[in-house]
Amino acid sequence: SQQGEEDPQALSIQEGENATMNCSYKTSINNLQWYRQNSGRGLVHLILIRSNEREKHSGRLRVTLDTSKKSSSLLITASRAADTASYFCATDPNTDKLIFGTGTRLQVFP
Amino acid sequence: DTGVSQNPRHKITKRGQNVTFRCDPISEHNRLYWYRQTLGQGPEFLTYFQNEAQLEKSRLLSDRFSAERPKGSFSTLEIQRTEQGDSAMYLCASSFFGPAYEQYFGPGTRLTVT
Repeated sequence: SQQGEEDPQALSIQEGENATMNCSYKTSINNLQWYRQNSGRGLVHLILIRSNEREKHSGRLRVTLDTSKKSSSLLITASRAADTASYFCATDPNTDKLIFGTGTRLQVFP
Repeated sequence: DTGVSQNPRHKITKRGQNVTFRCDPISEHNRLYWYRQTLGQGPEFLTYFQNEAQLEKSRLLSDRFSAERPKGSFSTLEIQRTEQGDSAMYLCASSFFGPAYEQYFGPGTRLTVT
C-alpha cells in the first residue's frame, strides 16, 4: 500500500512560474526523498531530506519537511518545459525500503 | 554507462507463460531492490537484497514470483504462470547500505500479459 499522497494529483503551469507539490505520509520516518519520472521511464533521484532537517535546497529545488505534520513540500522555481514529469515523494519508515506516494503530474507549457 | 540496467525493456507474453527479468546494479552498491509500478500509481516495493541475501519480501510477492541475486551482483525476477494482473512496469534500484542513501533506478521492464 502507498505510504502517502501527493497533492495536487496534477498541476499545469507556464514556463517561468513556480511549482509547488505537497506530500503527506503516515508513519515516522528516517528520511524523505523526492524523485522525478518522465513518462514511461525510470525514476531519477532529486533530493533527500533527513528527519532532523527542516529545509534543503538543490539548484532550483527547495524541499521542506514538517515531521510534526507528517508532510513535505517540493518547490521548483522558474520552471522549464523540461520539468514536465511526474514527481513522487518516498519515505523510509525505519524499514530500509522506500514507500512511494501516488505522485503529482506536472505539465509545464512553453 | 555505469548506471542500473534492466533487460529486457519490454516483454509481451501470453497468460500462463513464465518470464524472467534481469537487473544489473551499480557495481559498488550492495543493496538491490525490486518495485512494481502500475499506470498512474507510485512504485510499490516487492523485495530487496543485501549482497546475495534476500532480506524482505512484500506480501505483493505471491508464490509465483521469485527473485535471486547470486553472488551479490546481478539479480533476476521470475514470474511463473503469468496473469493479466501482472502487467506492470518492474523497476530495479540499487544503493549503498544504510537508511540515508538514495536509490538509483534502472529504466524498468514493461510487462504486458495478453
